[in-house]
Parts: sequence; structure tokens; C-alpha cells
Amino acid sequence: GEDVEQSLFLSVREGDSSVINCTYTDSSSTYLYWYKQEPGAGLQLLTYIFSNMDMKQDQRLTVLLNKKDKHLSLRIADTQTGDSAIYFCAESYSGGYQKVTFGTGTKLQVIP
Amino acid sequence: GAVVSQHPSRVICKSGTSVKIECRSLDFQATTMFWYRQFPKKSLMLMATSNEGSKATYEQGVEKDKFLINHASLTLSTLTVTSAHPEDSSFYICSARPSVGLDYEQYFGPGTRLTVT
Repeated sequence: GEDVEQSLFLSVREGDSSVINCTYTDSSSTYLYWYKQEPGAGLQLLTYIFSNMDMKQDQRLTVLLNKKDKHLSLRIADTQTGDSAIYFCAESYSGGYQKVTFGTGTKLQVIP
Repeated sequence: GAVVSQHPSRVICKSGTSVKIECRSLDFQATTMFWYRQFPKKSLMLMATSNEGSKATYEQGVEKDKFLINHASLTLSTLTVTSAHPEDSSFYICSARPSVGLDYEQYFGPGTRLTVT
């Protein structure tokens, strides 16, 4: 079955790095995603990584994938107060309708 | 960029009535749209996959007669909550996959807050 888990809460000081972790169980996943949700809003895709990659960097965001341990992380460098939100990791596999399974979400609080 | 809208953004209805939520892809065609439900402080739960011109595929435990989905065109899917009850109060989010696009592409609407009194 599909199961994606994250820690519920993370608090960091402005300017520090944030690392949000995620574990998943479906080894057939093709894509792994990080989404951001601000209060009362929909989801914004931050970045994605193919399952055959180990790392992807996009400006302040670094995604690390450990396929053996089925572990995904998102590092936000120089965290800003505007980064405060809920972050969801998600997975899907190629083919079919590309159903996306979401993690439980991590609430990131950035302290000024 | 690809934009998905939802209407209404908020709705309050009385118990026993029905409410329709629209999901539109504004600048692309979407053969497939998804409907999610999000409970407070919880993750998104996929309710159903909607395909243009055919019946929706519902996830296990989702009542298809209660949550009616219609995907009549390549830019519009609707979710109708029939005979709504307070336990149907939730945040409903749709997403749309472009008919022509990359595998990973899926764009989310801003969500609809439903409150049933």
C-alpha cells in the first residue's frame, strides 16, 4: 500500500536552514514532490525529483532522495518568514492517471 | 503559467441541501482532474479521479452517490455534495493534469471551504 509520513512540526529561526523529512513506502514511485500550502490556500508545487536522481537543487531548495531507505528531504537555505507554511511531500508513479499520494504535512514555523 | 480556479471559494449551506463546486482549468485543457478533501490539520485525501467524457473513479470509502462528479468538458469538472451534513464540512481541492504535458504536471486549485450548518 501507499503510505507517506512526515514529522508534524518544525520551528527554525529566520536565516537558518530548515530540513523537512519524509518517508514513503511505495518503491514503484516515479516522481516525488514537495508542495507548499499557505493558510487557507491551495497547493503550490515547489519542486519535484525523478526517482532515479539522488539530488536536485533549485535556488534555496535542495531535495535529497535516498531510494534504498525510501527517504526524501527538503532543505530550505536562509529560511525566511515567508517560508512559514505547511509542506507536503508526495509521490506518484508513471502511467495510469498519475494519482498523487500526499504525506501528512509538516508545519514550518519561522521565528523572526 | 497553468491556472486552475475553483468556485465558490467559500460556501455555507444548510444540512440536507446540495452544493456544487466547480473546478476550471483556465489556460489549458485537462483530460483528467482530481478531487481531494482536506480535514483540518490533515493531509489531502484523494476522493476521485475525473476523466472527461467518462465516469469518475472513486477511491475506496467515498460514496459516489453522495459526491457526484461530472467532467463534461476539457476545462470543467464539478463536484456536487448531495444532501450535505455537518460531517461533510471540509476543504475541497481539485487538481488538473494537462491533456498535453509532462508526466509530473498537475496543477491545483485554491480550494473551496464548505461549511454545513
